[in-house]
Amino acid sequence: EPEVTQTPSHQVTQMGQEVILRCVPISNHLYFYWYRQILGQKVEFLVSFYNNEISEKSEIFDDQFSVERPDGSNFTLKIRSTKLEDSAMYFCASSVPGLAYEQYFGPGTRLTVT
Amino acid sequence: AQKITQTQPGMFVQEKEAVTLDCTYDTSDPSYGLFWYKQPSSGEMIFLIYQGSYDQQNATEGRYSLNFQKARKSANLVISASQLGDSAMYFCAMREVDMGRRALTFGSGTRLQVQP
Repeated sequence: EPEVTQTPSHQVTQMGQEVILRCVPISNHLYFYWYRQILGQKVEFLVSFYNNEISEKSEIFDDQFSVERPDGSNFTLKIRSTKLEDSAMYFCASSVPGLAYEQYFGPGTRLTVT
Repeated sequence: AQKITQTQPGMFVQEKEAVTLDCTYDTSDPSYGLFWYKQPSSGEMIFLIYQGSYDQQNATEGRYSLNFQKARKSANLVISASQLGDSAMYFCAMREVDMGRRALTFGSGTRLQVQP
């Protein structure tokens, strides 16, 4: 069964460093998403991406964040200058067109900022 | 106001019994979708079941069913014949379809523990 994959599974970085989180969505999906979950809290939407552009973003997704689809398979989230409060699990998700369809989540990348 | 409210931080159920996890939502959008996801201790998010606001019947998927009461704005998940592997966090989520939005808004979750 096709699945969303994410690398790395765990990333430790120092405050102020840039990190890139990588995702490979399911191949026939056209919508891609990033969510984050701070430890013990609810899952929060960051951004959605369609047709090579951001289609929706939350107030969390400020100028330090960016997303990119550098090739036909990868979808990345870049955090330019990490802060301690960026420590969280970051989930990538993808879905087919059609608003009734579920979003398939990847296993997540745990980001720890020290 | 919270868009998704899950009032049960934790629930216990005996193996083989049924359990209901509560979810209420708040939206003025006439078109929306409601989802339930399971998050085991390993951390991944597993889709369980979907209910559209215009669906006439309650959704069912195997042992999972969604008790959708539109007037009360509730979308409770019912798990029948609980198994030990059902122990996990369960999140209710909503997508408001107005203007083609796709973001899922999640509740704070319910931790279910199935006891032998």
